[in-house]
Amino acid sequence: DQQVKQNSPSLSVQEGRISILNCDYTNSMFDYFLWYKKYPAEGPTFLISISSIKDKNEDGRFTVFLNKSAKHLSLHIVPSQPGDSAVYFCAAWDNAGNMLTFGGGTRLMVKP
Amino acid sequence: DVKVTQSSRYLVKRTGEKVFLECVQDMDHENMFWYRQDPGLGLRLIYFSYDVKMKEKGDIPEGYSVSREKKERFSLILESASTNQTSMYLCASSSQRGTLNTEAFFGQGTRLTVV
Repeated sequence: DQQVKQNSPSLSVQEGRISILNCDYTNSMFDYFLWYKKYPAEGPTFLISISSIKDKNEDGRFTVFLNKSAKHLSLHIVPSQPGDSAVYFCAAWDNAGNMLTFGGGTRLMVKP
Repeated sequence: DVKVTQSSRYLVKRTGEKVFLECVQDMDHENMFWYRQDPGLGLRLIYFSYDVKMKEKGDIPEGYSVSREKKERFSLILESASTNQTSMYLCASSSQRGTLNTEAFFGQGTRLTVV
């Protein structure tokens, strides 16, 4: 059973608007969460992360929110740009720090 | 600049062949990982290693083995390649927890086709 789930396989947003990508997890041993961005035929690149002791982390246009009680996190991109079009993966470290588990990914399409 | 290098971008192998996928990192990272990416399934962990000669099974280890003889190198071995192992294979490395840097760095991926 998937421990990290991204229930929306795709999302389409107009340029300049907000993109919200969601992620749910089931393992309460996860304590550090990351978002990665992936273009076709390339490896994923790190975008932003959040520790379980925080509920928000911001980096420029990207903000990640964590709701521990709901075991839910989200990535907000404001404003969205066509270059943001990619597949976004949510990932989680277990608290032993050795295993990094990924979700199924959400394909974001930002239309000009 | 952190670098994770996978030996091949594209590989075509025949069913039943033994296949080696090599990965080298230059950041003295303790942890190394092998994932495969398939449409709709995301990145699934095959094996990981947290130290030289140490290995742990991930979510889908069947049909694969790994080798980590040196800290910088982590090899994925397909003992007898099958068509259902056609996939994008991604290697990653990261430092131990307890440091500030907890992201994993990925290689460029190897697209393996088994015919």
